[in-house]
Amino acid sequence: EAEVAQSPRYKITEKSQAVAFWCDPISGHATLYWYRQILGQGPELLVQFQDESVVDDSQLPKDRFSAERLKGVDSTLKIQPAELGDSAMYLCASSPPGGLRSNEAFFGQGTRLTVV
Amino acid sequence: AQSVTQLDSQVPVFEEAPVELRCNYSSSVSVYLFWYVQYPNQGLQLLLKYLSGSTLVESINGFEAEFNKSQTSFHLRKPSVHISDTAEYFCAVRTNRDDKIIFGKGTRLHILP
Repeated sequence: EAEVAQSPRYKITEKSQAVAFWCDPISGHATLYWYRQILGQGPELLVQFQDESVVDDSQLPKDRFSAERLKGVDSTLKIQPAELGDSAMYLCASSPPGGLRSNEAFFGQGTRLTVV
Repeated sequence: AQSVTQLDSQVPVFEEAPVELRCNYSSSVSVYLFWYVQYPNQGLQLLLKYLSGSTLVESINGFEAEFNKSQTSFHLRKPSVHISDTAEYFCAVRTNRDDKIIFGKGTRLHILP
């Protein structure tokens, strides 16, 4: 069964350092999402891609966060510099092409980030 | 813009007892509704979804949810819970206008022996 792949699963970094997360969506899924989930809360959408284009990054802290999906397949989320408040689970999800909006998002296992 | 409210942050229930996890949504357009389950340090897994048609939808592990348009609700129920149901449950909404999926804050289901 196809899955969304994320790496690394766990990351510990010092504050002010740079950190990057990688996501490989299910093949053929045009929509890709990055969510941040703080412990004890629901996932918060950071950025949404349709193919290689950003369609929503209104909640992405653009002074330190960046996301790209250059070829419309895999994606990278970067934080520079990391702050203590960035400690959270970062979830990637993908969804089939537009026109099938009734479909759910398929989630990866997430990257647990701890900033020390 | 759409939003999701999960009224209970935690629900303790005895094993084999029934449970209901509440979810209300707000949207000015038609919606698709989902329940996801999350086990510790894992991603989210789809439990069930409402797209159209019958307002009662069921999962393979005994959960069901009923879409109530007049009350803008999509409550999740199970007639008899098991220890293995211990997890966090998230209600989510997606409109037919865009592909954005918005989640509630989650409800932690705590099964008591």
